[in-house]
Amino acid sequence: AQSVTQLDSQVPVFEEAPVELRCNYSSSVSVYLFWYVQYPNQGLQLLLKYLSGSTLVKGINGFEAEFNKSQTSFHLRKPSVHISDTAEYFCAVSQRGGYQKVTFGTGTKLQVIP
Amino acid sequence: KAGVTQTPRYLIKTRGQQVTLSCSPISGHRSVSWYQQTPGQGLQFLFEYFSETQRNKGNFPGRFSGRQFSNSRSEMNVSTLELGDSALYLCASSLGSSGSTDTQYFGPGTRLTVL
Repeated sequence: AQSVTQLDSQVPVFEEAPVELRCNYSSSVSVYLFWYVQYPNQGLQLLLKYLSGSTLVKGINGFEAEFNKSQTSFHLRKPSVHISDTAEYFCAVSQRGGYQKVTFGTGTKLQVIP
Repeated sequence: KAGVTQTPRYLIKTRGQQVTLSCSPISGHRSVSWYQQTPGQGLQFLFEYFSETQRNKGNFPGRFSGRQFSNSRSEMNVSTLELGDSALYLCASSLGSSGSTDTQYFGPGTRLTVL
């Protein structure tokens, strides 16, 4: 079984400030890790994913995440946020070698304050 | 390329009724997954279909069922609706050939309200 914990349900941050959204996972087997963004009244959009290789993953819209196996974390970061980044962000995990059975975290609402 | 489409976008039903939701994947995608999103439980995996076969299943009661057609379009059915079934139902499609490394593309969802 696998699980994902997003510790912060809401994160307010001022425009142009850096932000980190935290994600920890638990799994008995190796996993793939994902970050998705959901804008109001829309479906989810993939920001980035970690499959293997370099632990620092760069995604769209200036976001990046770092996979830390020892701490079982996959935190999402952006050095300078924009108003348009206001959305809900979901961390997700799926088992290596398995089919599409993705487990999502409960989400973090990022509110960018002008 | 057209994205994932879901119909209808909004639906209101009463307890005890049944409902069918539809999902058309991106052209060329053979895998379709369904998720239920609620404020309390978040996003929960329902099931995944690949080439008309259910390949994976979440922990939902048998009232929730699905199917996939030869053109990869998928339908999800919920019978004997309960108030707790009120949710946003999201469909996601992917190529399906690479298993869990495939990127999933999500539709806008169907908002189901059960009265």
